[in-house]
Amino acid sequence: GNSVTQMEGPVTLSEEAFLTINCTYTATGYPSLFWYVQYPGEGLQLLLKATKADDKGSNKGFEATYRKETTSFHLEKGSVQVSDSAVYFCALSEGAAGNKLTFGGGTRVLVKP
Amino acid sequence: EAGVAQSPRYKIIEKRQSVAFWCNPISGHATLYWYQQILGQGPKLLIQFQNNGVVDDSQLPKDRFSAERLKGVDSTLKIQPAKLEDSAVYLCASSLLAGLAGGRGIYNEQFFGPGTRLTVL
Repeated sequence: GNSVTQMEGPVTLSEEAFLTINCTYTATGYPSLFWYVQYPGEGLQLLLKATKADDKGSNKGFEATYRKETTSFHLEKGSVQVSDSAVYFCALSEGAAGNKLTFGGGTRVLVKP
Repeated sequence: EAGVAQSPRYKIIEKRQSVAFWCNPISGHATLYWYQQILGQGPKLLIQFQNNGVVDDSQLPKDRFSAERLKGVDSTLKIQPAKLEDSAVYLCASSLLAGLAGGRGIYNEQFFGPGTRLTVL
């Protein structure tokens, strides 16, 4: 079956530091890949996505590139802010229904001023 | 545009009691999902509806969990009887109609509600 593995947190950074969250996946076909973010007290929100190999998703200064050869979709941001403190989830979607999401365990990020 | 609504936001019950959660999806969204998110883990799909039909309920513990989506709009998820391990956040999400194109699934963004935090004592 499909699975997503991401680095465990918490990740604690200072403001303006570089952030990387590793994500690798296992899938039988051609998944689409996503990063979701959950800010404190809020619901899950789609941060970015990539639907095929070598696609780069980007939003709010975050980027992730779909690497089929390494089955990875690492999230990066060059300069984090306190407002980026949240839990980040890597996910994939595959299958005939097209919309079923399989999530990783989440990585909590805390950015200190 | 109004988002996905869920109620209640919090619920505390004793084990073996029953509980029900309600979800109202975004208007026009044919597909509705219920996820269970245990503390420290990612959300796990329990059931997916397309209009008022079930698409996937393979991970729904059917001996105690049930869900319905009458009229293809609102949905309720029920647990009867609850166990300690059911303590989690229950998330509802909705999306435009999920489907296929060229033999490949087409992903339509899922929009999530705020969730209901259930504590079973």
